[in-house]
Amino acid sequence: QVQLVQSGAEVKKPGASVKVSCKASGYIFSNYGISWVRQAPGQGLEWMGWISVYNGNTNYAQKFQDRVTMTTDTSTTTAYMQLRSLTSDDTAVYYCAREKPSSGKDYWGQGTLVTVSS
Amino acid sequence: DIQMTQSPSSLSASVGDRVTITCRASQVISNSLAWFQQKPGKAPKSLIYAASSLQSGVPLRFSGSGSGTDFTLTISSLQPEDFATYYCQQYNSYPLTFGGGTKVEIK
Repeated sequence: QVQLVQSGAEVKKPGASVKVSCKASGYIFSNYGISWVRQAPGQGLEWMGWISVYNGNTNYAQKFQDRVTMTTDTSTTTAYMQLRSLTSDDTAVYYCAREKPSSGKDYWGQGTLVTVSS
Repeated sequence: DIQMTQSPSSLSASVGDRVTITCRASQVISNSLAWFQQKPGKAPKSLIYAASSLQSGVPLRFSGSGSGTDFTLTISSLQPEDFATYYCQQYNSYPLTFGGGTKVEIK
């Protein structure tokens, strides 16, 4: 069965970076892309960007363009999202989701809480 | 960016009620519209894609309709496990954008 398993919770200081992983299983990894979505406490869902596992092409939300990097490792079927220059506004649960541009998201990871605090 | 506007932002309903949530796009998105359900402390669950196609395993009481700019999610007979927050999202063009959510509460 399709599963996306994310790395554990992180606590970071302002100005630091965080790298969240998303281990995929149960399907052909390169046939889908991975989107990253975050949710601040008590808020709605916010799309951060998408990466094609097939060719590594990315599309980032303008808001994160300068400080996010999304990558994949096909040898371990793992996707990564690195966010730099963290501030308290980046405190949120970060989700990965399997996605095809033609049909949207179908499976989601369980989420990773990132807390930014001095 | 395409703005997605959901209404209502919250509603109260009873088990067995028919519930309809609407989502409006600020520009035409064809049928590139998805719906998600989220329960407190849990990851979103994908319900519908392409405006009206059910994801595998989603109960038939859920249905979606619409095309262009106006879309609806209907729950034909609300069940206790359906109390949650629902989000629409367009995937017609980048950046992908979500609606603000509709919280369905127990009356």
